[in-house]
Amino acid sequence: DAGVTQSPTHLIKTRGQQVTLRCSPKSGHDTVSWYQQALGQGPQFIFQYYEEEERQRGNFPDRFSGHQFPNYSSELNVNALLLGDSALYLCASSGTVNYGYTFGSGTRLTVV
Amino acid sequence: GEDVEQSLFLSVREGDSSVINCTYTDSSSTYLYWYKQEPGAGLQLLTYIFSNMDMKQDQRLTVLLNKKDKHLSLRIADTQTGDSAIYFCAGSGANNLFFGTGTRLTVIP
Repeated sequence: DAGVTQSPTHLIKTRGQQVTLRCSPKSGHDTVSWYQQALGQGPQFIFQYYEEEERQRGNFPDRFSGHQFPNYSSELNVNALLLGDSALYLCASSGTVNYGYTFGSGTRLTVV
Repeated sequence: GEDVEQSLFLSVREGDSSVINCTYTDSSSTYLYWYKQEPGAGLQLLTYIFSNMDMKQDQRLTVLLNKKDKHLSLRIADTQTGDSAIYFCAGSGANNLFFGTGTRLTVIP
């Protein structure tokens, strides 16, 4: 049973560029959340998608946007990249019983 | 939002018990979680406890919850070198998790 898969695993971008990260949820899960984990910090909630809509959003600027597809997979888009956007981006999926979020291994984004 | 605090470092000898502590501010969390993160990896769910429970045991792991003091702890019995990692406690919001900064556990052989 595949867990949460994220791609790519690593990415290097230049300031001002745009990036798209992808996530496939665990089989049977219909909800996808995105988290940003800066070095030495705990993960911070970006937003959650359910039924192809953004259900809740954390304290992140509009440069961060997302999408969920009918097959429940999701994308995270970040525009106008800043050096401070360098972090590990984690995707988590969950089912209708809202406990035990399953996390992917993350995408390490480096902005230079 | 909720604040979750953890001590940054813990070192124990192999075979001893480890106790990782966490305090939180928001008492409305329905579930409280412990996650493990190994270097370069994502988060692995270790265990969770429902907010109306005081204790939960799962093999080598024991979770204690003191709702009055808003204190959560994770005890790892017979700690092994493979337990070396960063451990995060997290509270649950309506649709998200609030994480602490993590405790780096080092197991000394």
